[in-house]
Amino acid sequence: EVQLVESGGGLVQPGGSLRLSCAASGFTFSSYAMSWVRQAPGKGLEWVSAISGSGGSTYYADSVKGRFTISRDNSKNTLYLQMNSLRAEDTAVYYCAKTSPYYYGSGSSWYFDLWGRGTLVTVSS
Amino acid sequence: AIWMTQSPSLLSASTGDRVTISCRMSQGISSYLAWYQQKPGKAPELLIYAASTLQSGVPSRFSGSGSGTDFTLTISCLQSEDFATYYCQQYYSFPWTFGQGTKVEIK
Repeated sequence: EVQLVESGGGLVQPGGSLRLSCAASGFTFSSYAMSWVRQAPGKGLEWVSAISGSGGSTYYADSVKGRFTISRDNSKNTLYLQMNSLRAEDTAVYYCAKTSPYYYGSGSSWYFDLWGRGTLVTVSS
Repeated sequence: AIWMTQSPSLLSASTGDRVTISCRMSQGISSYLAWYQQKPGKAPELLIYAASTLQSGVPSRFSGSGSGTDFTLTISCLQSEDFATYYCQQYYSFPWTFGQGTKVEIK
């Protein structure tokens, strides 16, 4: 069964750090780009970061650039999100998402085809 | 960044109704658009990608159309399990962005 399971969420003070993990199973992890998407309480979805299958390319939303770092360990089938300098506005459920490639003409990109259940991060004093 | 305007934000409908949700882009994105369904307390689920391709396992009452800047999600005959929030998302360029969401509620 294809599955994503996030962990590492919790309560952290403003300015603190947290590392999220996402354990993947049921597919060839290294073949797929992965991503983090978050959802603040009662709000919509916000893309946070993405990483290519090899880990060689990473992408970030402006709101987290310079504070968050996405990485992966393909030997452990695990995706990570290191979050530093956390702010109250980072409070959200963080979802890990698997992507699938999409090719159109000479271009290509990825869309989210599987999501984990999410882990809650609360930034508060 | 590409801005997305999703409408309506709230849609009241009855079982059996045909409903349509719109998503408009601030610039053309070809067909790099996906639609997701999210139920309360659950993770989003993929319905449609490439603007009009139905994800495996998704009922055929769901359909997507459009290209460039204007896109539509249609549910042809609303079922009880379809009452949820729907999001469009562009993956044409970074930063990937989502629409604001459309909550489909029971009338």
